[in-house]
Amino acid sequence: DAKTTQPPSMDCAEGRAANLPCNHSTISGNEYVYWYRQIHSQGPQYIIHGLKNNETNEMASLIITEDRKSSTLILPHATLRDTAVYYCIVRVDGGSNYKLTFGKGTLLTVNP
Amino acid sequence: GAVVSQHPSWVICKSGTSVKIECRSLDFQATTMFWYRQFPKQSLMLMATSNEGSKATYEQGVEKDKFLINHASLTLSTLTVTSAHPEDSSFYICSASSGPPYEQYFGPGTRLTVT
Repeated sequence: DAKTTQPPSMDCAEGRAANLPCNHSTISGNEYVYWYRQIHSQGPQYIIHGLKNNETNEMASLIITEDRKSSTLILPHATLRDTAVYYCIVRVDGGSNYKLTFGKGTLLTVNP
Repeated sequence: GAVVSQHPSWVICKSGTSVKIECRSLDFQATTMFWYRQFPKQSLMLMATSNEGSKATYEQGVEKDKFLINHASLTLSTLTVTSAHPEDSSFYICSASSGPPYEQYFGPGTRLTVT
């Protein structure tokens, strides 16, 4: 699986949009971009994933560049409960045995 | 939907004893379960992958005789840490996956402290 690069930490004001970048310049054509987050001392939580089109769900939006070498996770109205480590992972889809390889992620701190 | 539970949520054991951690998928059948370990201020590291009714596949460097994994049913997998030592103290997290689109749903984790 391709490697991802994320900033180690970011701050965001409560109520504002949080934009978390991720570089995955070696991504292959059949690899998806996944985002998970981990709130302190809890298991990771799935947020969103995409292949090449932008995706949106009730939690966030995922913007993938046309060349697919980078992406941005957008939390439109961050709250204090969104403070967590956010992981960007690229993974081949196609089977239940496919592993998730977690990097160091970005610690997002939402400030009041 | 897609809820995964772990039991216990925390456990303290003495060095040399064994401890079993359970991972259950509550509202779906999990064909595959994964076990991760996370040390303080570090990321999750995959330990092993198990399919229901089959032997687990361990990642390089993980001792299969020390970390026994059983996936006897589509809703339950267990991790037994045998002859635990203080260096095994960690946060153990399981995840479960079923059919397409093969999302992994994570449990809340188990904090193991070996004294």
